[in-house]
Amino acid sequence: DARVTQTPRHKVTEMGQEVTMRCQPILGHNTVFWYRQTMMQGLELLAYFRNRAPLDDSGMPKDRFSAEMPDATLATLKIQPSEPRDSAVYFCASAMGLFPDTQYFGPGTRLTVL
Amino acid sequence: QKEVEQNSGPLSVPEGAIASLNCTYSDQGSQSFFWYRQYSGKSPELIMFIYSNGDKEDGRFTAQLNKASQYVSLLIRDSQPSDSATYLCAASMNSGYSTLTFGKGTMLLVSP
Repeated sequence: DARVTQTPRHKVTEMGQEVTMRCQPILGHNTVFWYRQTMMQGLELLAYFRNRAPLDDSGMPKDRFSAEMPDATLATLKIQPSEPRDSAVYFCASAMGLFPDTQYFGPGTRLTVL
Repeated sequence: QKEVEQNSGPLSVPEGAIASLNCTYSDQGSQSFFWYRQYSGKSPELIMFIYSNGDKEDGRFTAQLNKASQYVSLLIRDSQPSDSATYLCAASMNSGYSTLTFGKGTMLLVSP
């Protein structure tokens, strides 16, 4: 059963600490997306990669967020330093990069920054 | 600014009724449209997509697209309490190289 996996599923940390979230896309998918979901803003695209190359990270606060894809099976999203306003659910999604751009979501990481 | 608009709801329907969820989009260049279902505390799950004007049916679900009116809808026939969730509409510009713009979702409540 092919699915996107994310770790950790839950993370509670204190303000100022570094947070790293990991995502394993579906095997064979060449496009990976990072989203953040809050009640107020809904789903916001933070960054995405095609064939491991970053295509767009304009949705990320550049001073504290970074996203990488060190290999085809791993994408990471890092926040340093974390702030209480970063508390949200972070989803990773992957897609094959073919029409009609169907994206499949991972279970998410629920981040709480105290 | 590409936008996808949905009524936040909740939309309340009795079990067995037809639930109609609506979505409008601002970008005329949008080519394909997606409906995702999201249960509370879970991740979005794809229900279906549509890219041609008209209706597309999949079981109890029917997606409708009207590009002239920039309007997408999802009909759920014979609604069940298990259909209670938030339904997200998303639009994509073109094939293979674009991102999805999501609406904020409509909460559907199906009462037994």
